[in-house]
Amino acid sequence: SQTIHQWPATLVQPVGSPLSLECTVEGTSNPNLYWYRQAAGRGLQLLFYSVGIGQISSEVPQNLSASRPQDRQFILSSKKLLLSDSGFYLCAWSLQGNNEKLFFGSGTQLSVL
Amino acid sequence: AQTVTQSQPEMSVQEAETVTLSCTYDTSESDYYLFWYKQPPSRQMILVIRQEAYKQQNATENRFSVNFQKAAKSFSLKISDSQLGDAAMYFCAYRRVGDMRFGAGTRLTVKP
Repeated sequence: SQTIHQWPATLVQPVGSPLSLECTVEGTSNPNLYWYRQAAGRGLQLLFYSVGIGQISSEVPQNLSASRPQDRQFILSSKKLLLSDSGFYLCAWSLQGNNEKLFFGSGTQLSVL
Repeated sequence: AQTVTQSQPEMSVQEAETVTLSCTYDTSESDYYLFWYKQPPSRQMILVIRQEAYKQQNATENRFSVNFQKAAKSFSLKISDSQLGDAAMYFCAYRRVGDMRFGAGTRLTVKP
């Protein structure tokens, strides 16, 4: 069966520090991969999605970036965090196809102080 | 760009009663899919129900059903016989090739 791993669960970082959140999927190949951000009590904002290795679509350029170095690995990065980067970050995957549901990781709560 | 609107930030229902959560979306596409996700306090996203736009028949999953009105671009979720465990944030989502877009969510409270 397929599983998605996302870590860390909680992260506290100072303003201006770098960020790296990692997400890996097991049990499937060539998945679509997604990064979402959820502000407190709000909806999910799509940040990036990828339909294949090295293929990244950006919805919110800002100071965040994403990379997909391997088929089932998706990394969210920042060189210098801002206060506004605080939030709950969710990684998700789906099979290829626009009718497929998303499977979500357990999320990372990021607090930038 | 596709947008998803949930006009009810909060809803409340008595246990065992029925509640309907509203969702509208904007698209020029003809082929797409709609979803309802539930996010309990654990914050784990759980799929509730899925609807294919080309199907006229409304999807049903046990106590959960949808009222899909394609012409009106409306996709509401009905929860029957509400249970305490149904208390959560509910997100409507629109999917086309590549990405999935979510509404702002409706917080559902279930009163015993």
